[in-house]
Amino acid sequence: GEDVEQSLFLSVREGDSSVINCTYTDSSSTYLYWYKQEPGAGLQLLTYIFSNMDMKQDQRLTVLLNKKDKHLSLRIADTQTGDSAIYFCAQRWEYGNKLVFGAGTILRVKS
Amino acid sequence: GAGVSQTPSNKVTEKGKYVELRCDPISGHTALYWYRQSLGQGPEFLIYFQGTGAADDSGLPNDRFFAVRPEGSVSTLKIQRTERGDSAVYLCASSLLAEGDTQYFGPGTRLTVL
Repeated sequence: GEDVEQSLFLSVREGDSSVINCTYTDSSSTYLYWYKQEPGAGLQLLTYIFSNMDMKQDQRLTVLLNKKDKHLSLRIADTQTGDSAIYFCAQRWEYGNKLVFGAGTILRVKS
Repeated sequence: GAGVSQTPSNKVTEKGKYVELRCDPISGHTALYWYRQSLGQGPEFLIYFQGTGAADDSGLPNDRFFAVRPEGSVSTLKIQRTERGDSAVYLCASSLLAEGDTQYFGPGTRLTVL
């Protein structure tokens, strides 16, 4: 079945790198997304990667995909206090419509 | 341009009452999605519209939940005989195309059933 799992909590110091991890169910053709949710707000799309890619970089964000282990990670370089939020990993099959989300990782950035 | 908007932002109701939640998608987006997010959880899919029709309603929990999109733009999620377990944030998303496109989310409606 469909299942996306994330670690619950991550605490880092301002200026350090953050790495948020996610595991997903096996699929040969899938999109994997990272969304950010700040308190009381909706979901903001950060980045996404298709399963035929290994890595995607977008400014401070780097997404790594290990298809063998079904493992996805989001690295945030030079983490700032404004990065404190909940980060959700989500999966969607290539021709599907619904997103399947993990439970979210709370990122706390200490100044 | 304007993003997805949802009204009301907060709704408090009593057990057994009927509620309607509204979603205005991004202009020109053909696909619209409803998700429900319970406290401490990720969003869970409820229903997906392509144009005016519900293409996938497999996530609706029971027949108390119903959604419409009569003109292919604005959508209304309707919940009858609300229960305390319906308390959650209801999120709406839209995408430009049908299957295979990125979804953009609104701020959500926080529903509290007393």
